[in-house]
Amino acid sequence: DAGVIQSPRHEVTEMGQEVTLRCKPISGHNSLFWYRQTMMRGLELLIYFNNNVPIDDSGMPEDRFSAKMPNASFSTLKIQPSEPRDSAVYFCASSSSSPTVGGSPLHFGNGTRLTVT
Amino acid sequence: AQKVTQAQTEISVVEKEDVTLDCVYETRDTTYYLFWYKQPPSGELVFLIRRNSFDEQNEISGRYSWNFQKSTSSFNFTITASQVVDSAVYFCALINAGNNRKLIWGLGTSLAVNP
Repeated sequence: DAGVIQSPRHEVTEMGQEVTLRCKPISGHNSLFWYRQTMMRGLELLIYFNNNVPIDDSGMPEDRFSAKMPNASFSTLKIQPSEPRDSAVYFCASSSSSPTVGGSPLHFGNGTRLTVT
Repeated sequence: AQKVTQAQTEISVVEKEDVTLDCVYETRDTTYYLFWYKQPPSGELVFLIRRNSFDEQNEISGRYSWNFQKSTSSFNFTITASQVVDSAVYFCALINAGNNRKLIWGLGTSLAVNP
């Protein structure tokens, strides 16, 4: 069974450019999460979807960040315009239900390493 | 307040040594879940174990074992006879059942197992 699939694995872009990160969750999972990992801040939850609906986007840093989940098998995280401080590893994760119900573990993709110069 | 503390930032051991990674948590809820994840140098985050607050039984999986003690709010992870492939950053995390859907993460313990 395929795990969470993220693309691209690496992205290098110039400041001001638009960046789109993609995620395909595990089939049958109905919760999807976008995380950002940096040395300074560790793992930060950006946004959480349940059944394709954004439930909590309080972690989205600012209006430059947006996320969509048009269907159960695809999600995007967009940064427009990108800035050097956005450089980080961005992880997508999915779980079979809300983690608070039954404590379903999150299954992570391999991440996208974003570098904004 | 909810919090996960992994006091050990870095640990270095020699292969075949046993090593314990500490995790102490804080929560006011009575129903919660605890997790351990492994992040090897390749960067992916790998789920290792989940434990709910009503199950204090220790768990063993091969060379890995977990000791959950509510009395001390700890969920420690022991690797027996460590191997170089165990080198990774290990994260402990907590989530409360109910309305709060956010996993609370520790900052991780970087384990280096040297040959």
